[in-house]
Amino acid sequence: AQSVTQPDIHITVSEGASLELRCNYSYGATPYLFWYVQSPGQGLQLLLKYFSGDTLVQGIKGFEAEFKRSQSSFNLRKPSVHWSDAAEYFCAVVAREAASKLTFGTGTRLQVTL
Amino acid sequence: GAVVSQHPSRVICKSGTSVKIECRSLDFQATTMFWYRQFPKQSLMLMATSNEGSKATYEQGVEKDKFLINHASLTLSTLTVTSAHPEDSSFYICSASDPNYGYTFGSGTRLTVV
Repeated sequence: AQSVTQPDIHITVSEGASLELRCNYSYGATPYLFWYVQSPGQGLQLLLKYFSGDTLVQGIKGFEAEFKRSQSSFNLRKPSVHWSDAAEYFCAVVAREAASKLTFGTGTRLQVTL
Repeated sequence: GAVVSQHPSRVICKSGTSVKIECRSLDFQATTMFWYRQFPKQSLMLMATSNEGSKATYEQGVEKDKFLINHASLTLSTLTVTSAHPEDSSFYICSASDPNYGYTFGSGTRLTVV
């Protein structure tokens, strides 16, 4: 069965520190991969996505993610976190067939201390 | 980029009444839309997949008679919560699928049934 694992439920980092949020997936074939961010009471905003090509993907707000096929991982990184980055982050995967269903991880809540 | 508009953002209704939530793709045609429910501090749970002009496909455990989904055009899908009860109170989010943009989410609807 397809699944997405975000091992860290809650992470706290200091402003200016680097960040890495982990995401592992279990899928029959390499899926499309996404990272979304959700602020309280809001919908989801796409940070970045991986379809094919370069395995290091650049996204908005200074985020990047690296797809590692051998590890079935798609970890999200940011070199220097800002207080406004505090939010819930979701990794999601979907099969490459058109209009397939997204499978979400359980989310990682990021807290940023000043 | 793709924009999905979801209305209303918040709604309070009395127990036993029905509530309609609209999801519109503003600048693209969405052949498939998805409806999610999100409980506090949890991930998104897919409720149903709607395809324009056909019946929605509901996930296991979701009552199709309680959660009516209509996808009458390529830019509009609606979710109607019928005979709402307090346990239906939740955050509902729609998403639209497009081959070019991937998956775009609405801003969500906070439903409170009193």
